[in-house]
Amino acid sequence: EAGVAQSPRYKIIEKRQSVAFWCNPISGHATLYWYQQILGQGPKLLIQFQNNGVVDDSQLPKDRFSAERLKGVDSTLKIQPAKLEDSAVYLCASSLSTLNYGYTFGSGTRLTVV
Amino acid sequence: DAKTTQPNSMESNEEEPVHLPCNHSTISGTDYIHWYRQLPSQGPEYVIHGLTSNVNNRMASLAIAEDRKSSTLILHRATLRDAAVYYCILRVGGGADGLTFGKGTHLIIQP
Repeated sequence: EAGVAQSPRYKIIEKRQSVAFWCNPISGHATLYWYQQILGQGPKLLIQFQNNGVVDDSQLPKDRFSAERLKGVDSTLKIQPAKLEDSAVYLCASSLSTLNYGYTFGSGTRLTVV
Repeated sequence: DAKTTQPNSMESNEEEPVHLPCNHSTISGTDYIHWYRQLPSQGPEYVIHGLTSNVNNRMASLAIAEDRKSSTLILHRATLRDAAVYYCILRVGGGADGLTFGKGTHLIIQP
């Protein structure tokens, strides 16, 4: 099966600019997750979607981060305005809605804020 | 939050078996034990998961203690390509089942 697609692969922006990341999950996967991975740390969950509804966004910095999954398939994560500390890899993952199934992660988007 | 404890790093020789331990003493009855690994500059990759019984797949084996408070990921014959950070994570029920990653175990393979 095709993997989780993410774009762009790399992005460099200046602080206070905005940026958007795109994710296309595996076909049929109802659950989609966005993670932030700062260099040297494990990934941190930002938001979880079940189809087009938000299940968990408790760790999403809502003053500057937003995410949507309008048709229950593709998803977009946006940062506006970006801060230096947002420099990280943003990972998208998808899964079936059952605990007895693994996640599939994309390769991520590496964001550098200068 | 369900938590796991893993050694920070382990070292093994190529073509030898590797046993990566994980403690999860607060595991609940419906929590699944998942293992992922992350190679440099890549997203995490699913390795294996289980609930109560030991599991085998083409990548690895998962041995789960009878009381489920610990588990061991077994790589039967390590290669240089197995050098990665290995994460042991509990996938918990209740809807919000996003994985909580710890620091994982950095596995070093010596040729």
